[in-house]
Amino acid sequence: AQKITQTQPGMFVQEKEAVTLDCTYDTSDPSYGLFWYKQPSSGEMIFLIYQGSYDQQNATEGRYSLNFQKARKSANLVISASQLGDSAMYFCAMREGGGGADGLTFGKGTHLIIQP
Amino acid sequence: NAGVTQTPKFQVLKTGQSMTLQCAQDMNHEYMSWYRQDPGMGLRLIHYSVGAGITDQGEVPNGYNVSRSTTEDFPLRLLSAAPSQTSVYFCASSGRVGGRDEQFFGPGTRLTVL
Repeated sequence: AQKITQTQPGMFVQEKEAVTLDCTYDTSDPSYGLFWYKQPSSGEMIFLIYQGSYDQQNATEGRYSLNFQKARKSANLVISASQLGDSAMYFCAMREGGGGADGLTFGKGTHLIIQP
Repeated sequence: NAGVTQTPKFQVLKTGQSMTLQCAQDMNHEYMSWYRQDPGMGLRLIHYSVGAGITDQGEVPNGYNVSRSTTEDFPLRLLSAAPSQTSVYFCASSGRVGGRDEQFFGPGTRLTVL
C-alpha cells in the first residue's frame, strides 16, 4: 500500500482563488511528521509547511495552511488567494518515527497551474 | 548561511564510470539524506545518515555508496554508473529546531548516464 497518496495529478485554478491539494497517508507509527514541498519548473524543492502528529493545532505559514485530520489520515495543503507564481508541482511527504532520522516518503505530486 | 549545497549541478557519465556527488550543509543538522527523482515521480530515498560515522540504506540503495566523516558533508558515490541511474539527485539536511522538524533540500544534481 502506498504510504502517501496524492489523488490529483493536475489542477487548474483561477488566480486569487483558494486551492486545496489533497494528501492522505498511511502509518501505524504514533509519531510522524507531514511535510509539503513546492517544486517549480526550475527544479528546486522548496519547503512550505510541517505538521507533527502530536501538534494540537493546524500548521500555518503565511498563505499556506495544513488541514490536518488525524482520524482520517489526511493532511491537505490549502493555499489562500492563489498567485501565478504558485504554479508548480506540489509534493506531500511523511517522516515516520521521532527525530527526523529515517528520511521522507513522498507522494507522486500534484501539478498546479494557476490561470490569470 | 548557504543551507544545503550540492556539486556539480549537471553531469554526464558513460556507463561504467564512477563519480562522487558532493553535499554539504551549514545548519548543524545531525541528519542528512540522498534522494533521487525520476520523471513524473516523487523523491525516493537512497541512503541516509543520523550522524557522523553512521549511515543506513533507504528505499533504493543499490549502486550507491555513502560515508559521513563529518557533520557537514555527505557525499554520494556511484561506483559503476548505469543508464538506470540517470536521474536528478537531491541531498537533504534535517533536524529538530524549536520542537519542529525541518528538512531542507539542496538544488539538485542532474545526472545523465549514457
